[in-house]
Amino acid sequence: EAEVAQSPRYKITEKSQAVAFWCDPISGHATLYWYRQILGQGPELLVQFQDESVVDDSQLPKDRFSAERLKGVDSTLKIQPAELGDSAMYLCASSSRLAGTGELFFGEGSRLTVL
Amino acid sequence: GQSLEQPSEVTAVEGAIVQINCTYQTSGFYGLSWYQQHDGGAPTFLSYNALDGLEETGRFSSFLSRSDSYGYLLLQELQMKDSASYFCAVPYNTDKLIFGTGTRLQVFP
Repeated sequence: EAEVAQSPRYKITEKSQAVAFWCDPISGHATLYWYRQILGQGPELLVQFQDESVVDDSQLPKDRFSAERLKGVDSTLKIQPAELGDSAMYLCASSSRLAGTGELFFGEGSRLTVL
Repeated sequence: GQSLEQPSEVTAVEGAIVQINCTYQTSGFYGLSWYQQHDGGAPTFLSYNALDGLEETGRFSSFLSRSDSYGYLLLQELQMKDSASYFCAVPYNTDKLIFGTGTRLQVFP
């Protein structure tokens, strides 16, 4: 069964360091999302790609966060410098069509701890 | 803006029936989704209601009332493995999904 792959699963870093997360969506899925989930809360959308283009990054803190999907397949989310408040689960999701049907496929996530 | 409200926690015993409610406020409505997330795991899609009424999938059912901006997820014949967090979600502008705050379900033997 096709899955969304993410790495690393866990990352511990000190504040002010740079971190990067990688996501490989299900093959053929044109739409890719990065969500952030703080413990005990629902996922919050950070950025959405349609193929290689950013469709929505209105909630991405652009002073420290960046995201790219250069060839419209896999994607990287970077944080530089990391802050204590960035500790969270970073989830990647993909879909074969717009989210109008409400079905996204999520990866297992990358849990970030900033010390 | 968009907002979805759910109870923070629900408890039940094995074999029981539990209902998790979701009220929403959105500008433009396309449907209501439900996701399950076990601790440390990925959210997984359970159901989607675009129209009013009840949708049944095995032990899980989902209901929508568009006039009341309200939906619920019904879990029957509860099992220990159903202990998880459940999120309702709505598509916004058709192409992004906004999630509720989540309901933590604890099933006891």
